[in-house]
Amino acid sequence: QVHLQESGPGLVKPSETLSLTCIVSGGATGSYYWSWIRQSPGKGLEYIGYIYYSGSTDYNPSLKSRVTISIDTSTNQFSLRLNSVTAADTAVYYCARRIYTSSFYFDYWGQGILVTVSS
Amino acid sequence: DIQMTQSPSALSASVGDRVTFTCRASQSISNYLNWYQQKPGKAPKLLIYAASTLQTGVPSRFSGSGSGTDFTLTISSLQPDDYATYYCQQSYSSPFTFGGGTKVEIK
Repeated sequence: QVHLQESGPGLVKPSETLSLTCIVSGGATGSYYWSWIRQSPGKGLEYIGYIYYSGSTDYNPSLKSRVTISIDTSTNQFSLRLNSVTAADTAVYYCARRIYTSSFYFDYWGQGILVTVSS
Repeated sequence: DIQMTQSPSALSASVGDRVTFTCRASQSISNYLNWYQQKPGKAPKLLIYAASTLQTGVPSRFSGSGSGTDFTLTISSLQPDDYATYYCQQSYSSPFTFGGGTKVEIK
Protein backbone atom coordinates (compact mmCIF):
# COMPACT_ATOMS: atom_id res chain seq x y z
CA GLN A 1 0.00 0.00 0.00
CA VAL A 2 1.47 3.30 -1.10
CA HIS A 3 1.55 6.02 1.54
CA LEU A 4 2.37 9.68 1.05
CA GLN A 5 3.20 12.11 3.84
CA GLU A 6 3.72 15.85 3.52
CA SER A 7 6.03 17.75 5.82
CA GLY A 8 7.16 21.32 6.20
CA PRO A 9 6.45 24.55 8.04
CA GLY A 10 2.85 25.43 8.70
CA LEU A 11 3.51 29.15 8.75
CA VAL A 12 5.34 31.17 6.12
CA LYS A 13 5.84 34.92 6.02
CA PRO A 14 4.67 36.95 3.03
CA SER A 15 7.27 37.28 0.26
CA GLU A 16 9.18 34.25 1.55
CA THR A 17 9.41 30.75 0.09
CA LEU A 18 7.09 27.90 0.94
CA SER A 19 8.95 24.57 0.98
CA LEU A 20 7.26 21.21 1.41
CA THR A 21 8.44 17.63 1.09
CA CYS A 22 6.44 14.50 0.37
CA ILE A 23 7.83 11.16 1.46
CA VAL A 24 6.59 8.14 -0.47
CA SER A 25 6.51 4.77 1.27
CA GLY A 26 5.22 1.37 0.27
CA GLY A 27 6.42 1.75 -3.29
CA ALA A 28 9.12 3.29 -5.42
CA THR A 29 8.86 6.64 -7.16
CA GLY A 30 9.68 5.10 -10.53
CA SER A 31 7.26 5.28 -13.51
CA TYR A 32 4.81 7.63 -11.86
CA TYR A 33 3.98 11.31 -11.88
CA TRP A 34 4.33 12.94 -8.47
CA SER A 35 2.04 15.88 -7.98
CA TRP A 36 1.15 18.78 -5.75
CA ILE A 37 -2.42 20.02 -5.37
CA ARG A 38 -3.72 22.64 -3.00
CA GLN A 39 -7.11 23.50 -1.58
CA SER A 40 -8.23 26.82 -0.26
CA PRO A 41 -11.73 27.98 0.64
CA GLY A 42 -11.62 30.64 -2.02
CA LYS A 43 -10.32 28.62 -4.96
CA GLY A 44 -11.25 25.03 -4.26
CA LEU A 45 -8.90 22.31 -5.47
CA GLU A 46 -6.06 23.65 -7.60
CA TYR A 47 -3.48 21.62 -9.48
CA ILE A 48 0.02 22.99 -8.89
CA GLY A 49 2.16 20.66 -10.95
CA TYR A 50 3.87 17.30 -11.24
CA ILE A 51 7.28 15.79 -11.72
CA TYR A 52 7.85 12.51 -13.53
CA TYR A 53 10.35 10.13 -11.94
CA SER A 54 12.75 10.95 -14.78
CA GLY A 55 12.67 14.62 -13.78
CA SER A 56 10.40 16.15 -16.40
CA THR A 57 7.89 18.61 -14.99
CA ASP A 58 4.55 20.23 -15.69
CA TYR A 59 3.35 23.32 -13.88
CA ASN A 60 0.09 25.20 -13.73
CA PRO A 61 0.68 28.34 -15.81
CA SER A 62 -0.93 30.44 -13.08
CA LEU A 63 1.90 29.46 -10.71
CA LYS A 64 4.66 28.53 -13.11
CA SER A 65 6.83 31.59 -12.49
CA ARG A 66 6.98 30.82 -8.75
CA VAL A 67 6.97 27.01 -8.56
CA THR A 68 9.69 24.39 -8.58
CA ILE A 69 9.06 20.69 -8.05
CA SER A 70 12.01 18.37 -7.59
CA ILE A 71 12.47 14.68 -6.89
CA ASP A 72 15.02 12.47 -5.16
CA THR A 73 14.34 8.92 -6.27
CA SER A 74 17.09 7.55 -4.03
CA THR A 75 15.16 8.61 -0.94
CA ASN A 76 11.64 8.27 -2.42
CA GLN A 77 10.71 11.87 -1.84
CA PHE A 78 9.75 14.89 -3.86
CA SER A 79 9.48 18.53 -2.97
CA LEU A 80 7.60 21.74 -3.70
CA ARG A 81 9.01 25.23 -3.57
CA LEU A 82 6.72 28.21 -4.06
CA ASN A 83 8.39 31.56 -3.79
CA SER A 84 7.16 35.09 -3.16
CA VAL A 85 4.11 33.84 -1.30
CA THR A 86 1.14 35.99 -0.37
CA ALA A 87 -1.95 35.41 1.73
CA ALA A 88 -3.58 33.96 -1.39
CA ASP A 89 -1.22 30.99 -1.11
CA THR A 90 -2.71 29.99 2.24
CA ALA A 91 -4.15 26.52 1.66
CA VAL A 92 -4.00 22.87 2.50
CA TYR A 93 -1.28 21.39 0.31
CA TYR A 94 -1.56 17.78 -0.83
CA CYS A 95 0.96 15.59 -2.52
CA ALA A 96 -0.48 12.90 -4.75
CA ARG A 97 0.54 10.18 -7.17
CA ARG A 98 -0.66 10.56 -10.73
CA ILE A 99 -0.94 7.35 -12.68
CA TYR A 100 -2.02 6.26 -16.15
CA THR A 101 -4.37 3.28 -16.62
CA SER A 102 -6.48 4.08 -19.67
CA SER A 103 -6.60 7.60 -18.29
CA PHE A 104 -4.63 9.77 -15.94
CA TYR A 105 -5.82 10.21 -12.37
CA PHE A 106 -4.59 10.89 -8.84
CA ASP A 107 -4.87 7.59 -7.00
CA TYR A 108 -2.93 8.11 -3.77
CA TRP A 109 -2.94 11.31 -1.74
CA GLY A 110 -1.16 12.49 1.36
CA GLN A 111 -3.21 13.64 4.32
CA GLY A 112 -2.51 17.27 3.51
CA ILE A 113 -0.68 20.01 5.36
CA LEU A 114 -2.11 23.41 6.15
CA VAL A 115 0.21 26.25 5.23
CA THR A 116 -0.71 29.73 6.40
CA VAL A 117 0.96 32.78 4.93
CA SER A 118 1.06 35.48 7.54
CA SER A 119 3.52 37.83 9.19
CA ASP B 1 -7.83 26.29 -19.03
CA ILE B 2 -10.74 23.86 -19.16
CA GLN B 3 -13.48 24.93 -16.77
CA MET B 4 -15.34 22.23 -14.86
CA THR B 5 -18.81 23.09 -13.60
CA GLN B 6 -20.64 20.87 -11.13
CA SER B 7 -24.30 20.98 -10.29
CA PRO B 8 -25.91 21.22 -7.92
CA SER B 9 -23.45 22.74 -5.48
CA ALA B 10 -25.27 20.97 -2.65
CA LEU B 11 -28.12 18.57 -2.21
CA SER B 12 -30.00 16.97 0.64
CA ALA B 13 -30.90 13.30 0.42
CA SER B 14 -31.97 10.43 2.62
CA VAL B 15 -30.33 7.07 3.18
CA GLY B 16 -31.44 4.76 0.40
CA ASP B 17 -32.05 7.53 -2.14
CA ARG B 18 -30.69 7.36 -5.65
CA VAL B 19 -28.54 10.43 -6.15
CA THR B 20 -27.19 11.84 -9.38
CA PHE B 21 -25.04 14.88 -9.93
CA THR B 22 -23.46 16.33 -12.96
CA CYS B 23 -20.20 17.78 -14.20
CA ARG B 24 -19.80 19.79 -17.37
CA ALA B 25 -16.56 20.64 -19.11
CA SER B 26 -16.07 23.88 -21.03
CA GLN B 27 -14.77 21.85 -23.99
CA SER B 28 -14.72 18.22 -25.02
CA ILE B 29 -12.50 16.09 -22.82
CA SER B 30 -13.40 12.70 -24.28
CA ASN B 31 -13.61 10.38 -21.27
CA TYR B 32 -10.73 11.98 -19.33
CA LEU B 33 -12.89 12.63 -16.31
CA ASN B 34 -12.34 11.49 -12.73
CA TRP B 35 -14.52 11.64 -9.64
CA TYR B 36 -13.32 12.05 -6.06
CA GLN B 37 -15.02 11.95 -2.68
CA GLN B 38 -13.81 14.19 0.12
CA LYS B 39 -14.82 14.16 3.75
CA PRO B 40 -14.06 17.03 6.14
CA GLY B 41 -10.42 17.19 7.13
CA LYS B 42 -9.45 14.40 4.76
CA ALA B 43 -7.79 14.19 1.38
CA PRO B 44 -9.89 13.49 -1.70
CA LYS B 45 -10.38 9.81 -2.46
CA LEU B 46 -10.53 8.52 -6.01
CA LEU B 47 -13.87 6.89 -6.85
CA ILE B 48 -14.02 6.68 -10.63
CA TYR B 49 -11.54 7.30 -13.43
CA ALA B 50 -11.92 7.45 -17.20
CA ALA B 51 -15.51 8.60 -16.65
CA SER B 52 -16.89 5.18 -15.77
CA THR B 53 -14.21 2.87 -14.35
CA LEU B 54 -14.64 2.11 -10.68
CA GLN B 55 -11.46 2.35 -8.65
CA THR B 56 -10.52 -0.85 -6.83
CA GLY B 57 -12.30 -1.13 -3.51
CA VAL B 58 -15.01 1.43 -4.26
CA PRO B 59 -18.54 0.09 -3.66
CA SER B 60 -20.55 -0.82 -6.74
CA ARG B 61 -23.34 1.59 -5.77
CA PHE B 62 -21.15 4.28 -7.32
CA SER B 63 -21.23 4.62 -11.09
CA GLY B 64 -20.14 7.18 -13.61
CA SER B 65 -21.10 7.93 -17.17
CA GLY B 66 -20.63 10.46 -19.90
CA SER B 67 -18.26 11.54 -22.60
CA GLY B 68 -17.33 14.75 -24.32
CA THR B 69 -18.55 17.59 -22.12
CA ASP B 70 -21.27 16.10 -19.91
CA PHE B 71 -20.74 13.59 -17.14
CA THR B 72 -22.71 12.16 -14.26
CA LEU B 73 -21.94 10.42 -11.00
CA THR B 74 -24.69 8.25 -9.55
CA ILE B 75 -25.03 6.68 -6.13
CA SER B 76 -27.68 4.01 -6.51
CA SER B 77 -28.59 3.79 -2.82
CA LEU B 78 -27.13 6.46 -0.58
CA GLN B 79 -25.42 5.14 2.55
CA PRO B 80 -24.47 7.01 5.75
CA ASP B 81 -20.80 6.83 4.75
CA ASP B 82 -21.54 8.67 1.49
CA TYR B 83 -22.26 12.04 3.04
CA ALA B 84 -19.35 14.02 1.66
CA THR B 85 -18.35 16.43 -1.07
CA TYR B 86 -17.80 15.07 -4.57
CA TYR B 87 -15.44 16.61 -7.10
CA CYS B 88 -14.92 15.98 -10.77
CA GLN B 89 -11.53 16.55 -12.38
CA GLN B 90 -10.43 16.57 -15.98
CA SER B 91 -7.20 14.90 -17.01
CA TYR B 92 -7.45 15.82 -20.70
CA SER B 93 -5.04 18.73 -20.62
CA SER B 94 -2.89 20.64 -18.20
CA PRO B 95 -3.68 22.43 -15.98
CA PHE B 96 -5.79 19.55 -14.65
CA THR B 97 -8.79 21.36 -13.26
CA PHE B 98 -11.38 20.39 -10.69
CA GLY B 99 -15.02 21.26 -10.40
CA GLY B 100 -16.31 23.26 -7.48
CA GLY B 101 -17.82 20.22 -5.82
CA THR B 102 -21.25 18.90 -4.85
CA LYS B 103 -21.87 18.55 -1.13
CA VAL B 104 -24.25 15.74 -0.17
CA GLU B 105 -26.02 16.44 3.09
CA ILE B 106 -28.37 14.48 5.26
CA LYS B 107 -32.05 15.18 4.68
